[in-house]
Amino acid sequence: NAGVTQTPKFQVLKTGQSMTLQCAQDMNHNSMYWYRQDPGMGLRLIYYSASEGTTDKGEVPNGYNVSRLNKREFSLRLESAAPSQTSVYFCASSRSGDRGLYEQYFGPGTRLTVT
Amino acid sequence: SQQGEEDPQALSIQEGENATMNCSYKTSINNLQWYRQNSGRGLVHLILIRSNEREKHSGRLRVTLDTSKKSSSLLITASRAADTASYFCATGPMDSSYKLIFGSGTRLLVRP
Repeated sequence: NAGVTQTPKFQVLKTGQSMTLQCAQDMNHNSMYWYRQDPGMGLRLIYYSASEGTTDKGEVPNGYNVSRLNKREFSLRLESAAPSQTSVYFCASSRSGDRGLYEQYFGPGTRLTVT
Repeated sequence: SQQGEEDPQALSIQEGENATMNCSYKTSINNLQWYRQNSGRGLVHLILIRSNEREKHSGRLRVTLDTSKKSSSLLITASRAADTASYFCATGPMDSSYKLIFGSGTRLLVRP
């Protein structure tokens, strides 16, 4: 049982390049999330997917797109990377339902540097 | 903007002492959660307290929630060096069952 996995672990991009961050979970969770964490700060929500087939913007969606490929996988794409997108990116998943929010399970993160 | 703000930003204590961290938030919530992050790693869920609960325990952790003051506290008793980490509160807004909004965290150092 791997939990939440993310690839790659590290990436260096030049300004203007594009890339896709991959995330997969094997816990049969309905909801998945992408966050970014800048040095010394908490996490900020980029996009989330409440269930398969739906995606919604979080606090900081500009410059990103997402795809909920199936129940297991949720990818984050940077179409034209900018230095301001240098950050650590975390994917998370959780159950969801009428009883309200459940705890989130996090992947190990992707450290992205844009030069 | 971030909903939860932790206080203090950094805390240094001796092993065996208790550590208390506070979290304040701005809007009505469904629940509040605490997470731990070891350096360079992903976050790990510690405890969830729902808006109709006032106190919750898990091992050496005690969380309180005061919705009238929009604040929560996390108490770690008999701290250990392995408790050294950053601790984040995260609030689930009343208007969304899916999102969490994280605070900026408290960095805890437990000296052996």
